[in-house]
Amino acid sequence: NAGVMQNPRHLVRRRGQEARLRCSPMKGHSHVYWYRQLPEEGLKFMVYLQKENIIDESGMPKERFSAEFPKEGPSILRIQQVVRGDSAAYFCASSVPGQPYEQYFGPGTRLTVT
Amino acid sequence: RKEVEQDPGPFNVPEGATVAFNCTYSNSASQSFFWYRQDCRKEPKLLMSVYSSGNEDGRFTAQLNRASQYISLLIRDSKLSDSATYLCVVNTGGSYIPTFGRGTSLIVHP
Repeated sequence: NAGVMQNPRHLVRRRGQEARLRCSPMKGHSHVYWYRQLPEEGLKFMVYLQKENIIDESGMPKERFSAEFPKEGPSILRIQQVVRGDSAAYFCASSVPGQPYEQYFGPGTRLTVT
Repeated sequence: RKEVEQDPGPFNVPEGATVAFNCTYSNSASQSFFWYRQDCRKEPKLLMSVYSSGNEDGRFTAQLNRASQYISLLIRDSKLSDSATYLCVVNTGGSYIPTFGRGTSLIVHP
């Protein structure tokens, strides 16, 4: 049973480009969370999605960031017009319905904006 | 006051030592509590849940003190492989969003 998969593991973008981060949850998991972690800081919640539905995006910056979890395929976190401050590790986690706090994390995508 | 607070450490202990971390939370309505472990540049992994009655898993014991609003993690007979950052996670009833502490760093040396 494969765990949570994220790709790419490392992503380098120049300022102004777009970054697309992908997350495939564990088999049988239908809930996906995205987090951002800056060096020496804790995990910051960004968005919580179910298939075809954004449940809570209270942690998402109002501009440039968007997320989706289509009926088919992985969840995608999109960052448009990246800036240096977007450089961070982005983790995706999945859970089963009814147990949102027992989350299983992917290996993360390390985004570097040059 | 932050929702979830942890001493960042590092806690530097020799192999075989017993070490304990606390994590305080501000919302008295919090209902679910967990400890996660995160190795350097890796993803967090669920270590254990914290039940009202306490929870023990091998060398690890987690406890909850609702009156003082903190949870604790005790590690007995520390191993070199226990070196990691330990994240406290708290959830408030009615919310699907867990709140992560910034973590406590543990370094176990020979």
